[in-house]
Amino acid sequence: DQQVKQNSPSLSVQEGRISILNCDYTNSMFDYFLWYKKYPAEGPTFLISISSIRDKNEDGRFTVFLNKSAKHLSLHIVPSQPGDSAVYFCAASVDSGAGSYQLTFGKGTKLSVIP
Amino acid sequence: DAGITQSPRHKVTETGTPVTLRCHQTENHRYMYWYRQDPGHGLRLIHYSYGVKDTDKGEVSDGYSVSRSKTEDFLLTLESATSSQTSVYFCATSPVRGGPNTEAFFGQGTRLTVV
Repeated sequence: DQQVKQNSPSLSVQEGRISILNCDYTNSMFDYFLWYKKYPAEGPTFLISISSIRDKNEDGRFTVFLNKSAKHLSLHIVPSQPGDSAVYFCAASVDSGAGSYQLTFGKGTKLSVIP
Repeated sequence: DAGITQSPRHKVTETGTPVTLRCHQTENHRYMYWYRQDPGHGLRLIHYSYGVKDTDKGEVSDGYSVSRSKTEDFLLTLESATSSQTSVYFCATSPVRGGPNTEAFFGQGTRLTVV
């Protein structure tokens, strides 16, 4: 059973426009959410995160919104640039007990920004 | 960026042979993770560690074992490799849980092919 879902495998956006990537989760125990970006043949790199006690976090062109009641988060990229073309993974963190925690990832959304 | 080195970067092995992948970090991070990335599945957690000799299973742990005898090294072993274990394997580390340092840092990945 997939606990973190990214239902759009791909997204194409014109350069300069807004990119909106969506993520849904089912586990209400998740208390921290993260977005990662991945280029081909590289490891994922951290992009932005949000605690479950907040509903918005902004970092430059990137903003993450969290709607806990809907168990939904989204990543907004404004304005989109060709260099943003990558696979974006949504991830959620849960305390697994005994001082441990693990990250659960979605399947990813491939963003293509068209010049 | 955290200093995370995965070795080998590429490996081809035969079905039924044992394989060990190594992850080495220089950041003294407490948490370490092994993920596999497959088309249509995104990143799936295999095993993780929350301290020396403290490990736990992830989502897809069958056929894999891990060991962590030192803070800096986390080994992933396939006791008897199968073709279904052909994948790209990523190691990740994380310093602490919660707050702005919750993000995990990823290695460059190991491409394993089982023939």
